Amino acid sequence: GAVVSQHPSWVICKSGTSVKIECRSLDFQATTMFWYRQFPKQSLMLMATSNEGSKATYEQGVEKDKFLINHASLTLSTLTVTSAHPEDSSFYICSARSLDATYEQYFGPGTRLTVT
Amino acid sequence: KQEVTQIPAALSVPEGENLVLNCSFTDSAIYNLQWFRQDPGKGLTSLLLIQSSQREQTSGRLNASLDKSSGRSTLYIAASQPGDSATYLCAPYTGFQKLVFGTGTRLLVSP
Repeated sequence: GAVVSQHPSWVICKSGTSVKIECRSLDFQATTMFWYRQFPKQSLMLMATSNEGSKATYEQGVEKDKFLINHASLTLSTLTVTSAHPEDSSFYICSARSLDATYEQYFGPGTRLTVT
Repeated sequence: KQEVTQIPAALSVPEGENLVLNCSFTDSAIYNLQWFRQDPGKGLTSLLLIQSSQREQTSGRLNASLDKSSGRSTLYIAASQPGDSATYLCAPYTGFQKLVFGTGTRLLVSP
């Protein structure tokens, strides 16, 4: 149980275009999902917390108008990178929080974004 | 602001050795703590979750301990194998249930 999927697993796009990444909890409902970014040889950095039915909460330094998050259902959150630039190239990983008392987060397999 | 440091940053050992990976965090007011492994270019695999009220957790050859008061956690790997080669990440759960990831330990176990 507790499987989280991401789509696509990798994407290449041209500078100036927008890219949407989906995060789905397959066998459980998640009122809260998280989006992380990982640059090469660095650890994961939390970008934003996505709450079902409400606006996302962004971490300091993350541009909310550039990284649009939508959490329209209990099993799906999307991250849209708008007007992507090469510096947005990174590994994006989502997680979904369990509803039990452990608050454990279950992670997706990640999406590698390359902006040319 | 919570900061998580992992020592050593990299470790290379021959197969069969017992290992200790260290994690320290600056703010002891954490909830749970989780250890992950990450293979190159891949996502995260959860290894162990230590709940706030626990001091350690075990799974197979892995044992993780947590000392909140001193801001430390250790991951013990017994009888290491080449398949254990990966980056190991420590992540405490802080306020609002956010995970703060450590800098990671890159482990290489040679046959």
